[in-house]
Amino acid sequence: AQKITQTQPGMFVQEKEAVTLDCTYDTSDPSYGLFWYKQPSSGEMIFLIYQGSYDQQNATEGRYSLNFQKARKSANLVISASQLGDSAMYFCAMRERGYQKVTFGTGTKLQVIP
Amino acid sequence: NAGVTQTPKFRVLKTGQSMTLLCAQDMNHEYMYWYRQDPGMGLRLIHYSVGEGTTAKGEVPDGYNVSRLKKQNFLLGLESAAPSQTSVYFCASSYKASGSGTRPPVSSYNEQFFGPGTRLTVL
Repeated sequence: AQKITQTQPGMFVQEKEAVTLDCTYDTSDPSYGLFWYKQPSSGEMIFLIYQGSYDQQNATEGRYSLNFQKARKSANLVISASQLGDSAMYFCAMRERGYQKVTFGTGTKLQVIP
Repeated sequence: NAGVTQTPKFRVLKTGQSMTLLCAQDMNHEYMYWYRQDPGMGLRLIHYSVGEGTTAKGEVPDGYNVSRLKKQNFLLGLESAAPSQTSVYFCASSYKASGSGTRPPVSSYNEQFFGPGTRLTVL
């Protein structure tokens, strides 16, 4: 079974609008961390935001927020007030407790339309 | 701090040739990883290391070997390159995920820092 699932291969959003990128995960470990990364066309991987399984509040970092629904095992990334520079691939990833490996989803390509 | 660096940035090989990709990090991270990225498949883990002198297989290890003789360096080797190994290779590093007591052991402390990638083409 896929540990991380991103069901949206591509998304479009109008500039200045908000957009939600979906991510669901599968784990039986009560302690885990979820990460979102951005990969622009230049290729580098940029860390955006982190959510811990024990965190009581949803994580926020500037225009990025994570809609964490633990019971549904979803960790959707919300980007508010989209900018042209947000056009990129976005990857969701998970690390489980004591587990050295990180599992990545297949990514969502976001395109911001002027 | 240079962070995570990778050498080379680009390389073209012929089938059967060998090469080594070098990853270096200056953040004193215990964990290091090699991934390959192919269209539509996200990042797939090739090999990883949890400390100097130790390595382990990831999701797609066949055709690759690794070594971690020094904490700051992680080498990925292709002994006999094949066209199926055409890909973009990323190295990453992170702090060790602790697991003791009742504190959540996974934290943002465990984010992976990525190198800029190596684009490899095997003809």
